[in-house]
Amino acid sequence: EAQVTQNPRYLITVTGKKLTVTCSQNMNHEYMSWYRQDPGLGLRQIYYSMNVEVTDKGDVPEGYKVSRKEKRNFPLILESPSPNQTSLYFCASSDRGAMNEQFFGPGTRLTVL
Amino acid sequence: GDSVTQMEGPVTLSEEAFLTINCTYTATGYPSLFWYVQYPGEGLQLLLKATKADDKGSNKGFEATYRKETTSFHLEKGSVQVSDSAVYFCALSGTTDSWGKLQFGAGTQVVVTP
Repeated sequence: EAQVTQNPRYLITVTGKKLTVTCSQNMNHEYMSWYRQDPGLGLRQIYYSMNVEVTDKGDVPEGYKVSRKEKRNFPLILESPSPNQTSLYFCASSDRGAMNEQFFGPGTRLTVL
Repeated sequence: GDSVTQMEGPVTLSEEAFLTINCTYTATGYPSLFWYVQYPGEGLQLLLKATKADDKGSNKGFEATYRKETTSFHLEKGSVQVSDSAVYFCALSGTTDSWGKLQFGAGTQVVVTP
């Protein structure tokens, strides 16, 4: 089944404790992206990647890191999480950029205390 | 920069009622326009899209027409069902400012009651 998977689905952590949210797609897509969803703000892009080893900042990259060492994986790293990073995070992928249909993962709900 | 404005929700309707969700955009150039839907507890999925002026996207009984003169992409469905209860997001992409991303509106929650 074609899908985007994220882990964990739910995470409660404390300020400053490094964490990684994994994202994996099995559709051989070149493009992958991370968004955060906050009430009243819709989804905002954090980082995106047009292909392996190519990443770029989105609208809200502060406090986040990403890497794209393999085509299928695009982990999101919070090196020192803060409470303002409490949010619902979505990973997405598509085969040729943001203008094509993006397939979204099920989301990761993160709470930083 | 580019932006998308949607009508605020929640929109509450009875089953079989007509649904309209307004969406307008501001963009440099000629974006592609999208409606994504998020069912409770799930990720977003593409509902329909349009890539140029006067294009009509349609899927599952939903329609939206790309209106360049009014910079709008309103979503409509003639007869909603309880299963259409979800959050609907209007989005654009493909301009210089929105290259590499979807620029989303805030989302509109739709609640359909039996």
